[in-house]
Amino acid sequence: QQQVKQSPQSLIVQKGGISIINCAYENTAFDYFPWYQQFPGKGPALLIAIRPDVSEKKEGRFTISFNKSAKQFSLHIMDSQPGDSATYFCAASEHGGSQGNLIFGKGTKLSVKP
Amino acid sequence: DGGITQSPKYLFRKEGQNVTLSCEQNLNHDAMYWYRQDPGQGLRLIYYSQIVNDFQKGDIAEGYSVSREKKESFPLTVTSAQKNPTAFYLCAISETGKFDGYTFGSGTRLTVV
Repeated sequence: QQQVKQSPQSLIVQKGGISIINCAYENTAFDYFPWYQQFPGKGPALLIAIRPDVSEKKEGRFTISFNKSAKQFSLHIMDSQPGDSATYFCAASEHGGSQGNLIFGKGTKLSVKP
Repeated sequence: DGGITQSPKYLFRKEGQNVTLSCEQNLNHDAMYWYRQDPGQGLRLIYYSQIVNDFQKGDIAEGYSVSREKKESFPLTVTSAQKNPTAFYLCAISETGKFDGYTFGSGTRLTVV
């Protein structure tokens, strides 16, 4: 019930291509869905987040698509660049995160080839 | 890292020794968290605290202990009871009133030999 399942585990994309990472959840009480980006040896940094009142949120080249009925959400990176090479984590929490804790997916290692 | 400091960055200890990892913040956030990261395992919650002098166990609290005597500090002790302590440890903070995700520290890599 508390899991967030993330796929794929690793992803290789050519420069300029679209990177797509998917996450699925079971707990219908989840109402906050962030994505984090982590470079080697660093802590994760918040990239973009969505709440279930909208189906899509875009910030620059990064877009979250959210499908409440399917209990799935995904991160799309347009015009992928070598500097986007990192590990990406999806997460989810209840009560907008204010009372509970973020439950993380296992991560996707993205490599963008020049 | 935006007002949250973890130290040291690397830590080596002999098996059977307790070791304490430091996490300090100056953003006046109420909530603090400790996560453990292992390759392919994602981030797993060890302990969290939402107010001073109070904390709760996460999913993998066995072999760890914490304290929250001051709002700005949340140290984690890895005890000799933790069977596999070698990992990357991450501290995070968040506001409880207006939640806008976590801010993570830069992490401590602990190696037990």
